[in-house]
Amino acid sequence: GNSVTQMEGPVTLSEEAFLTINCTYTATGYPSLFWYVQYPGEGLQLLLKATKADDKGSNKGFEATYRKETTSFHLEKGSVQVSDSAVYFCALFFLMDSNYQLIWGAGTKLIIKP
Amino acid sequence: GAGVSQSPSNKVTEKGKDVELRCDPISGHTALYWYRQSLGQGLEFLIYFQGNSAPDKSGLPSDRFSAERTGGSVSTLTIQRTQQEDSAVYLCASSLILAGGYNEQFFGPGTRLTVL
Repeated sequence: GNSVTQMEGPVTLSEEAFLTINCTYTATGYPSLFWYVQYPGEGLQLLLKATKADDKGSNKGFEATYRKETTSFHLEKGSVQVSDSAVYFCALFFLMDSNYQLIWGAGTKLIIKP
Repeated sequence: GAGVSQSPSNKVTEKGKDVELRCDPISGHTALYWYRQSLGQGLEFLIYFQGNSAPDKSGLPSDRFSAERTGGSVSTLTIQRTQQEDSAVYLCASSLILAGGYNEQFFGPGTRLTVL
């Protein structure tokens, strides 16, 4: 079956550190991949997406590249800020024969210390 | 414009009571989704609507859960005879439906349900 596995948290970093949050997936076919973010007290919002192999999604300094060969979509940021503290969710979507599947990872809590 | 709204924001109920959760999607969004987020867990997909129709109800955890959508707009998620394990944040999202792929889902703030 289809699944998403992401790094367990919490991940605690100092400001300006380099961030990687790992996400790997198992899927048949050609899914689209997403990172969503949930800031404290706010609703989930789309951070970035990639719809085919080798696509790179980017937003707010975050990047993730859809790697089919390693079935991964790791989230990276070169220099994190305190305001990046949030829970990050990796998700996989595909639509086949009107069967919709959106599968979520368990979420990774990121804590950035000043 | 207005985003997805959900009510109530918090609900505390006693075991065995019925609860009704409401979602108002973004105007013009034809797809609507319900998820459950338990403490420390990822999102569990419950059900989605295309217009007023739910093609697949297999994600609902038990027959105590039901959902409906009327007029292609507001949706209600009803939990009958609540149990303590139903305690969670219930999230609603909506999106456009465009052919050929994923359409960004916009999430509401959630309803935090606590069953005592």
